Amino acid sequence: GESVGLHLPTLSVQEGDNSIINCAYSNSASDYFIWYKQESGKGPQFIIDIRSNMDKRQGQRVTVLLNKTVKHLSLQIAATQPGDSAVYFCAENRGTSYDKVIFGPGTSLSVIP
Amino acid sequence: DTEVTQTPKHLVMGMTNKKSLKCEQHMGHRAMYWYKQKAKKPPELMFVYSYEKLSINESVPSRFSPECPNSSLLNLHLHALQPEDSALYLCASSQARAQQETQYFGPGTRLLVL
Repeated sequence: GESVGLHLPTLSVQEGDNSIINCAYSNSASDYFIWYKQESGKGPQFIIDIRSNMDKRQGQRVTVLLNKTVKHLSLQIAATQPGDSAVYFCAENRGTSYDKVIFGPGTSLSVIP
Repeated sequence: DTEVTQTPKHLVMGMTNKKSLKCEQHMGHRAMYWYKQKAKKPPELMFVYSYEKLSINESVPSRFSPECPNSSLLNLHLHALQPEDSALYLCASSQARAQQETQYFGPGTRLLVL
């Protein structure tokens, strides 16, 4: 399953399938991007990050792709599991300081058993 | 210890009450943050403390008053709040060393203003 831009806030995928969550950013000066997972009733949890000098980074079952040309970021989750159900936020560092982090609107991922 | 803790988990208060939210981290981080999150919305930055000094105030109303007593603690004092202030209040921390670094979040305090 795949979410499209910022206008599809929900994504449903079958357990075991791969998920792709997309995010567009607007500031070409942003040089650091983070994906957070927020489960119901909890704070955002760091998943993976990527710097602007990279176009791909892999973690455990997750991959983040960065396309600076079109200012687009995606999070791929392999073999999606019920525990992956959550809201996923992309966040960008827009400034020269560590504290200027702006969150995207989020995508709600539901995994169908 | 890689945890940010927040108390209380839930808080109900009237518009004339005074209450405080507390946040604590023992990761040696020197930047701490308060965010406000409404339902189905992303976190919005309110305040940043860097080395115990207030470095960012995102035009937050004065009925919210932050305090950083030491490098491990961050408080948010609440007074004369409005019902629209009901939200999840998140605390976060980061190392404050590099331009690109991760913020670690606590579980939040869910606030209801009646």
